[in-house]
Amino acid sequence: GQQVMQIPQYQHVQEGEDFTTYCNSSTTLSNIQWYKQRPGGHPVFLIQLVKSGEVKKQKRLTFQFGEAKKNSSLHITATQTTDVGTYFCAPQTGANNLFFGTGTRLTVIP
Amino acid sequence: DSGVTQTPKHLITATGQRVTLRCSPRSGDLSVYWYQQSLDQGLQFLIQYYNGEERAKGNILERFSAQQFPDLHSELNLSSLELGDSALYFCASSVDAGRNQPQHFGDGTRLSIL
Repeated sequence: GQQVMQIPQYQHVQEGEDFTTYCNSSTTLSNIQWYKQRPGGHPVFLIQLVKSGEVKKQKRLTFQFGEAKKNSSLHITATQTTDVGTYFCAPQTGANNLFFGTGTRLTVIP
Repeated sequence: DSGVTQTPKHLITATGQRVTLRCSPRSGDLSVYWYQQSLDQGLQFLIQYYNGEERAKGNILERFSAQQFPDLHSELNLSSLELGDSALYFCASSVDAGRNQPQHFGDGTRLSIL
Protein backbone atom coordinates (compact mmCIF):
# COMPACT_ATOMS: atom_id res chain seq x y z
CA GLY A 1 0.00 0.00 0.00
CA GLN A 2 0.87 3.62 -0.17
CA GLN A 3 3.51 4.73 2.33
CA VAL A 4 3.96 8.42 2.99
CA MET A 5 6.57 9.97 5.21
CA GLN A 6 6.53 13.61 6.16
CA ILE A 7 9.66 15.10 7.72
CA PRO A 8 10.55 16.59 10.03
CA GLN A 9 7.89 15.82 12.61
CA TYR A 10 8.71 18.99 14.54
CA GLN A 11 10.62 22.14 13.68
CA HIS A 12 11.48 25.10 15.86
CA VAL A 13 12.82 28.19 14.11
CA GLN A 14 13.65 31.73 15.08
CA GLU A 15 11.38 34.28 13.49
CA GLY A 16 12.92 35.31 10.20
CA GLU A 17 14.54 31.93 9.51
CA ASP A 18 13.42 29.70 6.68
CA PHE A 19 11.51 26.45 7.08
CA THR A 20 11.01 23.42 4.85
CA THR A 21 8.89 20.32 5.23
CA TYR A 22 9.11 17.31 2.96
CA CYS A 23 6.58 14.72 1.93
CA ASN A 24 7.92 11.49 0.44
CA SER A 25 5.87 8.71 -1.08
CA SER A 26 6.86 5.16 -1.98
CA THR A 27 4.55 5.27 -4.99
CA THR A 28 4.00 7.68 -7.85
CA LEU A 29 1.34 10.23 -7.06
CA SER A 30 -1.33 11.68 -9.29
CA ASN A 31 -1.23 14.94 -7.38
CA ILE A 32 -0.59 16.32 -3.92
CA GLN A 33 -2.34 18.83 -1.73
CA TRP A 34 -1.02 20.80 1.23
CA TYR A 35 -2.99 21.88 4.27
CA LYS A 36 -2.22 24.02 7.31
CA GLN A 37 -3.75 23.52 10.73
CA ARG A 38 -3.31 26.33 13.22
CA PRO A 39 -3.20 25.37 16.91
CA GLY A 40 -6.75 24.72 18.01
CA GLY A 41 -8.03 25.05 14.46
CA HIS A 42 -9.01 22.86 11.57
CA PRO A 43 -6.98 21.98 8.47
CA VAL A 44 -7.18 24.56 5.74
CA PHE A 45 -6.40 23.82 2.11
CA LEU A 46 -3.35 25.69 0.84
CA ILE A 47 -2.58 24.42 -2.63
CA GLN A 48 -2.61 21.53 -5.06
CA LEU A 49 0.24 20.39 -7.30
CA VAL A 50 -0.47 18.21 -10.30
CA LYS A 51 2.37 18.38 -12.81
CA SER A 52 5.80 16.79 -12.57
CA GLY A 53 8.34 19.36 -11.41
CA GLU A 54 5.65 21.93 -10.71
CA VAL A 55 6.53 24.91 -8.54
CA LYS A 56 3.91 27.24 -7.10
CA LYS A 57 4.34 30.25 -4.88
CA GLN A 58 2.02 31.93 -2.42
CA LYS A 59 3.77 35.00 -1.01
CA ARG A 60 6.50 33.55 1.23
CA LEU A 61 5.43 29.94 0.64
CA THR A 62 6.93 27.87 -2.19
CA PHE A 63 5.53 24.48 -3.06
CA GLN A 64 7.36 21.96 -5.24
CA PHE A 65 6.38 18.65 -6.78
CA GLY A 66 9.22 16.30 -7.66
CA GLU A 67 10.05 15.30 -11.18
CA ALA A 68 9.13 11.68 -10.42
CA LYS A 69 5.93 12.79 -8.65
CA LYS A 70 6.95 10.88 -5.53
CA ASN A 71 7.89 13.75 -3.30
CA SER A 72 6.95 17.30 -2.54
CA SER A 73 8.14 20.13 -0.37
CA LEU A 74 6.81 23.28 1.24
CA HIS A 75 9.31 26.04 1.90
CA ILE A 76 8.57 29.15 3.93
CA THR A 77 10.92 32.09 3.57
CA ALA A 78 11.52 34.38 6.55
CA THR A 79 9.03 32.78 8.92
CA GLN A 80 6.63 34.87 10.92
CA THR A 81 4.71 34.02 14.08
CA THR A 82 1.60 33.70 11.95
CA ASP A 83 3.17 30.69 10.25
CA VAL A 84 2.86 28.62 13.42
CA GLY A 85 0.89 25.43 12.97
CA THR A 86 1.04 21.94 11.56
CA TYR A 87 1.53 21.48 7.84
CA PHE A 88 0.07 18.35 6.30
CA CYS A 89 0.61 16.95 2.85
CA ALA A 90 -2.20 14.95 1.31
CA PRO A 91 -0.75 12.80 -1.47
CA GLN A 92 -3.26 11.37 -3.86
CA THR A 93 -3.21 8.27 -6.01
CA GLY A 94 -5.85 6.75 -8.19
CA ALA A 95 -9.31 8.08 -7.63
CA ASN A 96 -9.08 8.57 -3.92
CA ASN A 97 -8.38 11.61 -1.90
CA LEU A 98 -8.13 10.25 1.58
CA PHE A 99 -4.68 10.14 3.05
CA PHE A 100 -2.80 12.77 4.97
CA GLY A 101 0.84 12.78 5.90
CA THR A 102 1.85 12.74 9.54
CA GLY A 103 2.36 16.47 9.55
CA THR A 104 5.18 18.83 10.50
CA ARG A 105 4.55 21.02 13.50
CA LEU A 106 6.20 24.40 13.11
CA THR A 107 7.01 26.58 16.10
CA VAL A 108 8.28 30.10 15.45
CA ILE A 109 10.20 31.73 18.27
CA PRO A 110 9.79 35.52 18.30
CA ASP B 1 -15.50 30.14 7.75
CA SER B 2 -15.22 26.95 5.67
CA GLY B 3 -18.98 26.56 5.30
CA VAL B 4 -18.86 23.12 6.91
CA THR B 5 -20.85 22.94 10.13
CA GLN B 6 -20.23 20.37 12.82
CA THR B 7 -22.27 19.87 15.96
CA PRO B 8 -21.81 19.63 18.81
CA LYS B 9 -18.48 21.39 19.34
CA HIS B 10 -17.80 19.49 22.53
CA LEU B 11 -19.12 16.23 23.88
CA ILE B 12 -18.34 14.66 27.22
CA THR B 13 -19.62 11.20 27.98
CA ALA B 14 -18.72 7.98 29.73
CA THR B 15 -17.33 4.66 28.60
CA GLY B 16 -19.90 2.33 27.12
CA GLN B 17 -22.11 5.13 25.87
CA ARG B 18 -23.16 6.00 22.33
CA VAL B 19 -22.93 9.39 20.64
CA THR B 20 -23.85 10.91 17.30
CA LEU B 21 -21.80 13.60 15.61
CA ARG B 22 -23.40 15.69 12.92
CA CYS B 23 -21.97 17.41 9.86
CA SER B 24 -23.50 19.71 7.29
CA PRO B 25 -21.30 20.08 4.21
CA ARG B 26 -20.69 23.25 2.28
CA SER B 27 -23.52 24.21 0.00
CA GLY B 28 -23.10 22.34 -3.26
CA ASP B 29 -20.64 19.75 -1.93
CA LEU B 30 -21.72 16.16 -2.47
CA SER B 31 -18.89 14.33 -0.74
CA VAL B 32 -18.36 14.10 3.00
CA TYR B 33 -15.35 12.71 4.83
CA TRP B 34 -14.85 11.86 8.49
CA TYR B 35 -11.47 11.98 10.21
CA GLN B 36 -10.24 11.26 13.71
CA GLN B 37 -7.42 13.30 15.21
CA SER B 38 -6.09 12.16 18.56
CA LEU B 39 -4.01 14.48 20.73
CA ASP B 40 -0.99 15.67 18.79
CA GLN B 41 -1.64 13.11 16.09
CA GLY B 42 -2.30 13.27 12.40
CA LEU B 43 -5.57 12.90 10.60
CA GLN B 44 -6.85 9.34 10.42
CA PHE B 45 -9.36 8.82 7.66
CA LEU B 46 -12.49 7.00 8.79
CA ILE B 47 -15.05 7.00 6.00
CA GLN B 48 -16.26 8.88 2.93
CA TYR B 49 -19.72 9.32 1.50
CA TYR B 50 -20.71 10.67 -1.86
CA ASN B 51 -24.25 11.71 -2.63
CA GLY B 52 -25.68 9.43 -0.01
CA GLU B 53 -23.60 6.36 -0.68
CA GLU B 54 -20.53 5.03 1.05
CA ARG B 55 -17.54 5.65 -1.19
CA ALA B 56 -14.51 4.56 0.79
CA LYS B 57 -13.64 3.17 4.17
CA GLY B 58 -10.52 3.75 6.20
CA ASN B 59 -9.55 2.51 9.62
CA ILE B 60 -13.05 2.77 11.01
CA LEU B 61 -13.85 0.54 13.94
CA GLU B 62 -16.87 -1.76 13.81
CA ARG B 63 -18.29 0.19 16.76
CA PHE B 64 -18.43 3.25 14.51
CA SER B 65 -20.86 3.81 11.68
CA ALA B 66 -21.91 6.69 9.51
CA GLN B 67 -24.45 7.70 6.95
CA GLN B 68 -25.22 10.54 4.59
CA PHE B 69 -28.80 11.63 4.28
CA PRO B 70 -30.74 12.85 1.21
CA ASP B 71 -30.14 16.46 2.25
CA LEU B 72 -26.41 15.56 2.22
CA HIS B 73 -25.77 16.08 5.89
CA SER B 74 -23.90 13.25 7.55
CA GLU B 75 -23.82 11.64 10.94
CA LEU B 76 -21.06 9.63 12.58
CA ASN B 77 -22.27 7.22 15.25
CA LEU B 78 -19.83 6.01 17.87
CA SER B 79 -20.98 3.24 20.23
CA SER B 80 -19.60 1.27 23.16
CA LEU B 81 -17.24 4.15 23.71
CA GLU B 82 -13.80 3.52 25.14
CA LEU B 83 -11.30 5.90 26.69
CA GLY B 84 -9.19 5.66 23.57
CA ASP B 85 -11.99 7.11 21.48
CA SER B 86 -11.34 10.51 23.02
CA ALA B 87 -10.28 12.66 20.09
CA LEU B 88 -11.18 15.49 17.77
CA TYR B 89 -13.47 14.32 15.00
CA PHE B 90 -13.41 16.36 11.82
CA CYS B 91 -15.82 16.35 8.97
CA ALA B 92 -14.75 17.65 5.59
CA SER B 93 -16.58 18.10 2.34
CA SER B 94 -15.69 18.47 -1.30
CA VAL B 95 -17.57 19.13 -4.49
CA ASP B 96 -17.34 15.54 -5.66
CA ALA B 97 -15.54 12.35 -4.77
CA GLY B 98 -12.64 12.40 -7.15
CA ARG B 99 -9.08 13.50 -6.70
CA ASN B 100 -8.14 17.11 -7.36
CA GLN B 101 -10.84 18.19 -4.97
CA PRO B 102 -9.78 20.37 -2.05
CA GLN B 103 -11.38 19.32 1.18
CA HIS B 104 -13.05 21.93 3.37
CA PHE B 105 -13.00 21.09 7.05
CA GLY B 106 -15.40 21.92 9.82
CA ASP B 107 -14.26 23.08 13.23
CA GLY B 108 -14.53 19.55 14.60
CA THR B 109 -16.25 17.90 17.52
CA ARG B 110 -14.07 17.31 20.56
CA LEU B 111 -15.14 14.07 22.21
CA SER B 112 -14.00 13.36 25.75
CA ILE B 113 -14.64 10.00 27.33
CA LEU B 114 -14.51 9.90 31.09
